[in-house]
Amino acid sequence: EVQLSESGGGLVQPGGSLRLSCAASGFTFASCAMSWVRQAPGKGPEWVSDISGRGDNTRYADSVKGRFTISRDNSKNTLHLQMSSLRVEDTAVYYCTKRPLPGLIGADDRWGQGALVTVSS
Amino acid sequence: EIVLTQSPGTLSLSPGERATLSCRASQSVRTNYLAWYQQKRGQAPRLLIYGASGRTTGIPDRFSGSGSGTDFTLTITRLEPEDFAVYYCQQYADSPPTFGQGTKVEMK
Repeated sequence: EVQLSESGGGLVQPGGSLRLSCAASGFTFASCAMSWVRQAPGKGPEWVSDISGRGDNTRYADSVKGRFTISRDNSKNTLHLQMSSLRVEDTAVYYCTKRPLPGLIGADDRWGQGALVTVSS
Repeated sequence: EIVLTQSPGTLSLSPGERATLSCRASQSVRTNYLAWYQQKRGQAPRLLIYGASGRTTGIPDRFSGSGSGTDFTLTITRLEPEDFAVYYCQQYADSPPTFGQGTKVEMK
């Protein structure tokens, strides 16, 4: 059974940093691109970033480019999102998602339960 | 970026009725790379439909997707109590992947 489990969320002050992790199991991790999608309270989902199966191709939403870094460790089946220079508008539940293929193009076919990130002073 | 507009915003229906949800794209979605997700309160979204009409494993056949180019539809033929939720469309053909604002299917 595919499982995605996020960790690392919490309360941080504006300008601060936070690192999210996603532990994956139940599928061949290196064969699947992975993504982070966030959802602000009462809003629809918003794609944040994604990374190819080998980790050699990444993309970022304009709203986080230069502040967030996505990475993966295929030896540990783990996905990360390093977030810095956090803003109040980054407050959201952050979901780790799986894609069906190693390339970046694909629907998000499995989602984790989400990690809440709150940016507030 | 491709903007997706979903309509209606809210659909009030009774169990057993048919639900028809629309998703219109600001430009043509290449290769019909259009997905539909269901989200229940307090849960993560769940993929229902990919490639405009492909049903994900385990999704009941009362859910169907159709459309091409800029106009797509999700149909639920006979609403079950567990189908009352918010539904989002997503295009994943062009970067950035984008979502619609959602359609809430509520019980009348």
